[in-house]
Amino acid sequence: QLQLQESGPGLVKPSETLSLTCTVSGGSISSSHYYWAWIRQPPGKGLEWIATIYYSGSTYYNPSLKSRLTISVDTSKSQFSLKLNSVTATDTAVYYCARHGSSGWILESWGQGTLVTVSS
Amino acid sequence: DIQMTQSPSSVSAPVGDRVTITCRASQDVSSWLAWYQQKPGRAPKLLMYVASTLQSGVPSRFTSSGSGTDFTLTISSLQPEDFATYYCQQAKSFPITFGQGTRLEIQ
Repeated sequence: QLQLQESGPGLVKPSETLSLTCTVSGGSISSSHYYWAWIRQPPGKGLEWIATIYYSGSTYYNPSLKSRLTISVDTSKSQFSLKLNSVTATDTAVYYCARHGSSGWILESWGQGTLVTVSS
Repeated sequence: DIQMTQSPSSVSAPVGDRVTITCRASQDVSSWLAWYQQKPGRAPKLLMYVASTLQSGVPSRFTSSGSGTDFTLTISSLQPEDFATYYCQQAKSFPITFGQGTRLEIQ
């Protein structure tokens, strides 16, 4: 059974870089059928798609975050990662990693999420 | 970007009732529409996709329909475990966008 697990610091200072990793188990990150995504949810608010990556390294970014964002994949570790620089309090959110399904850009499987707070 | 608008923002209903949530896209998304259920402190869970296909393991009391710009999610007979927040998502193109959510509360 596919499992996704987010990891990274729970507290980041303003202006610094938020770095998270998603570890995939129970399935191959290199499968040609699937893309992988990051989504976030500020406390008490709705869902915002951040970015999507393929095992080959092809990426799609949310235009509203693109200038501050880098995502990457390490197939040898079955991981993909997110770096968001110059963070502010508005980047405080639960960050989820997920796997896209094979029907359009649906989000079929999700990690449990990790809360990242931006505060000094 | 394709804007997704859900209505209502919140709804209160008793167990056993039938509830319908609406989602409207600002552009034609064909049938590339998904619905998610989210309970407090939990990750969203995929319920429906390609507008009307039930995800494996989801009870048949959940149905959805629509195409183009107008979609609905219906829960035919509310159960206690259905009280949650529901989101629609357009799955047609990037950037992926979600509706603002509909909070379903027990009456």
